[in-house]
Amino acid sequence: KAGVTQTPRYLIKTRGQQVTLSCSPISGHRSVSWYQQTPGQGLQFLFEYFSETQRNKGNFPGRFSGRQFSNSRSEMNVSTLELGDSALYLCASSYGSNSPLHFGNGTRLTVT
Amino acid sequence: DQQVKQNSPSLSVQEGRISILNCDYTNSMFDYFLWYKKYPAEGPTFLISISSIKDKNEDGRFTVFLNKSAKHLSLHIVPSQPGDSAVYFCAASARTNAGKSTFGDGTTLTVKP
Repeated sequence: KAGVTQTPRYLIKTRGQQVTLSCSPISGHRSVSWYQQTPGQGLQFLFEYFSETQRNKGNFPGRFSGRQFSNSRSEMNVSTLELGDSALYLCASSYGSNSPLHFGNGTRLTVT
Repeated sequence: DQQVKQNSPSLSVQEGRISILNCDYTNSMFDYFLWYKKYPAEGPTFLISISSIKDKNEDGRFTVFLNKSAKHLSLHIVPSQPGDSAVYFCAASARTNAGKSTFGDGTTLTVKP
């Protein structure tokens, strides 16, 4: 099985712009979660989608949004980028509610 | 309020010895605990998990221990190998909600040959 695929791998944006990150889960996985990792920090939960519905949301401002499509692929959008949004954004998929997460290699976002 | 804490940012051990990584949590609602390993430029990889109905789970060289009364879990790696050198993350969630996991800040393990 192919793993979780995230595109692009690297992204450089300017403050005030918006960005869209993409994630293709493992085939058969219906849950997709997004996490942010900043230097020296653990992974901070952004949101989780299951069957095209947002099931959980973390403590991030409304500038961070996401969606999931009928084929389980997911996108994450960040509007009005700030310097502090520079981070590694990780997408993870799982088979069910009590299954481990399978992570992609992430998208490294740099905001200048 | 950090609900999952890994108090040791780094750990260095000799090849062949035991590595013990520790993790503390505060939220009593957590009943599913996992360890992930992360190499540079890669996403975390699931290593081992344990549910709150158990106090130990073993998988080859990796064993996770859970002490519910102390809200503490540990990962033992025996024997440690240089290829185990990575960042290890402890994660916790409600078992029915593993998609929303709370992670510690990670411990960087270095295994010296």
